[in-house]
Amino acid sequence: QQQVKQSPQSLIVQKGGISIINCAYENTAFDYFPWYQQFPGKGPALLIAIRPDVSEKKEGRFTISFNKSAKQFSLHIMDSQPGDSATYFCAAENSGSARQLTFGSGTQLTVLP
Amino acid sequence: ETGVTQSPTHLIKTRGQQVTLRCSSQSGHNTVSWYQQALGQGPQFIFQYYREEENGRGNFPPRFSGLQFPNYSSELNVNALELDDSALYLCASSSRTGGNEQFFGPGTRLTVL
Repeated sequence: QQQVKQSPQSLIVQKGGISIINCAYENTAFDYFPWYQQFPGKGPALLIAIRPDVSEKKEGRFTISFNKSAKQFSLHIMDSQPGDSATYFCAAENSGSARQLTFGSGTQLTVLP
Repeated sequence: ETGVTQSPTHLIKTRGQQVTLRCSSQSGHNTVSWYQQALGQGPQFIFQYYREEENGRGNFPPRFSGLQFPNYSSELNVNALELDDSALYLCASSSRTGGNEQFFGPGTRLTVL
C-alpha cells in the first residue's frame, strides 16, 4: 500500500494557538517523512522532515512527532500566525527506490488574526 | 544559488494536442522528478530522471514521457491530451549525493479544453 492518509482536510486556529495535522501510512518501507507548505499559485516548499529512528524533531515553531509502531506522524505548529495560513502536505518516501514522494491529500490551515 | 525554475507558467491546450513542459534544476542537483497536482489534491509522482534516464515511474500512461539533458534540466511531454490532464505540473530537483530533500519549482498550470 502506497497511500498516506492525512487529516483534517481543513483547520481553523486562532492566532497564537497550536495547529496539529496528522498523517498515517501503511508501507513499512517508507523511511523519510517530510512536510511541505504550499501557498496558492506556488510550488510546495519543504518545511521539516524526519526519519523513523527519532520520535520527534523540532525546528523553530514546527515540530514533527513520529510513532513508528502506529505508523503515524504529525505536524505541530506552535504559536500559529496568520502568515502560516497555507495548505500543508505530509509525504513519505522509500529511499531504497527512486526518490518517489507519496503525498497526503493536504490540510488547508487558516489562522485567524 | 538559483532555485528550480519551470516554463511556461500557464498553458491552455485543447483535447488531443501535445504539450512540452520544461524544468531547470537547482544548481548542484542531478535528479529531476515530475509530479501532477490536480486541484485540491496532493501531488502525484509521474516519473524521475537521473543521469538522463528514467529512474522510476508512477501510475501514469506511456503518453506521459520525459527527457533529461546533460545540464540536468528536464522536459515533460504529454501526448493526446485529455480533459483530466488539467493540473499543476511540478518539477522537483534533488541530489543523489545529498540528502533526501526534494525542492519544487513553482509549477506549470495546464488547462485542457
